[in-house]
Amino acid sequence: EAGVAQSPRYKIIEKRQSVAFWCNPISGHATLYWYQQILGQGPKLLIQFQNNGVVDDSQLPKDRFSAERLKGVDSTLKIQPAKLEDSAVYLCASSLDGLAGGPRTGELFFGEGSRLTVL
Amino acid sequence: ELKVEQNPLFLSMQEGKNYTIYCNYSTTSDRLYWYRQDPGKSLESLFVLLSNGAVKQEGRLMASLDTKARLSTLHITAAVHDLSATYFCAVNGGTSYGKLTFGQGTILTVHP
Repeated sequence: EAGVAQSPRYKIIEKRQSVAFWCNPISGHATLYWYQQILGQGPKLLIQFQNNGVVDDSQLPKDRFSAERLKGVDSTLKIQPAKLEDSAVYLCASSLDGLAGGPRTGELFFGEGSRLTVL
Repeated sequence: ELKVEQNPLFLSMQEGKNYTIYCNYSTTSDRLYWYRQDPGKSLESLFVLLSNGAVKQEGRLMASLDTKARLSTLHITAAVHDLSATYFCAVNGGTSYGKLTFGQGTILTVHP
């Protein structure tokens, strides 16, 4: 079974520039998440989608971050304009939770992440 | 606000020794997860603990959950070098599955 795919793996930009990350979840997974992991810390949830609707975006800095999940499959996360403190690994995860009759474990499956460096 | 604390944050072990990583959390939850992360890699799910008293074992690792004490432990038995990694616990404190709050991580190094 293919895992969660993310691209690009690495990106270096200057502050005030924009960047976009792409995620393709595990086939059939209804729920998709974007987490931010700053070096030396645990991941922090930015946004959660169920199918193509937003479940939770309370921790997303909406003045500069945006995310969408058109057609309930792939997702993109955009940062515009980037700040130095946005340097982090952006992890996409997916889970089966949310499917009618599906398992309810909350177990997330993570992609390898997109490492962003803002200079 | 849910807080998750792990200790120790750094753990240097000799091969063959046993040790325990502790994960404390601040609000009621009966869903706790352990993940492993190798340098430059993503997080790999190790254990899913969904009820008080849950105990799961895989190889040299065993995880348990005490929801009354708001405590989970990850016990390492007879450590080997391959276990060197960062271990995170994560707690789901809300009604929505998947909104995990992670601990700071425990960096485990196993040396001969």
